[in-house]
Amino acid sequence: DIQMTQSPSSLSASVGDRVTITCRASQGISNYLAWFQQKPGKAPKSLIYAASSLQSGVPSKFSGSGSGTDFTLTISSLQPEDFATYYCQQYNTYPLTFGGGTKVEIK
Amino acid sequence: EVHLVESGGDLVQPGRSLRLSCTASGFTFSDYAISWFRQAPGKGLEWVGFIRRKAYGATTEYAASVKGRFTISRDDSKTIAYLQTNSLKTEDTAVYYCSRGVRSSGGYYYPDYWGQGTLVTVSS
Repeated sequence: DIQMTQSPSSLSASVGDRVTITCRASQGISNYLAWFQQKPGKAPKSLIYAASSLQSGVPSKFSGSGSGTDFTLTISSLQPEDFATYYCQQYNTYPLTFGGGTKVEIK
Repeated sequence: EVHLVESGGDLVQPGRSLRLSCTASGFTFSDYAISWFRQAPGKGLEWVGFIRRKAYGATTEYAASVKGRFTISRDDSKTIAYLQTNSLKTEDTAVYYCSRGVRSSGGYYYPDYWGQGTLVTVSS
């Protein structure tokens, strides 16, 4: 199975900060990577697919990059509604696997 | 508007079965795969499996942890996908989510829309 490693596992940031989350795959997955946001008690929300393509309706403050084994999710200017847990997921190979999540908290 | 609603979650004893439903609306159901995911209390997301659209044979794929115990099916006429869960174990306790699966250029599927989830608790 492909292991997905996210870092950091948690971070504290202030409103207006630029935040970057990293996801590393244990083997190359081309650009078959998605990012999700999840708030407590809620379903995940899809943000990005194909490493850098925004899902419909997702604001442009979110961006993704990377290919192969190393990927990043960036939030350009953190807003109160962005405090949540973020997950990456590879869909290059079965079983589909997720990173452990990055919890973004208010500083 | 795309809408997915899971139902069927319940408290069940180990070894018993449960059928979860994912009722879809707002899109042409038969044109998409449907994936199932789960999230144990306080844990991260886990892929359970998915079913392709009929044009790709309505074939299925499963995670090793559920293969042989869980079965995914679909009824395009009712726009419902099902997750039949058999021989349930305490470690199957989780919120189960369905999602619409979009086929990538590589032939694999990623989720775009998600349901709100349904809770399955396996306990004696």
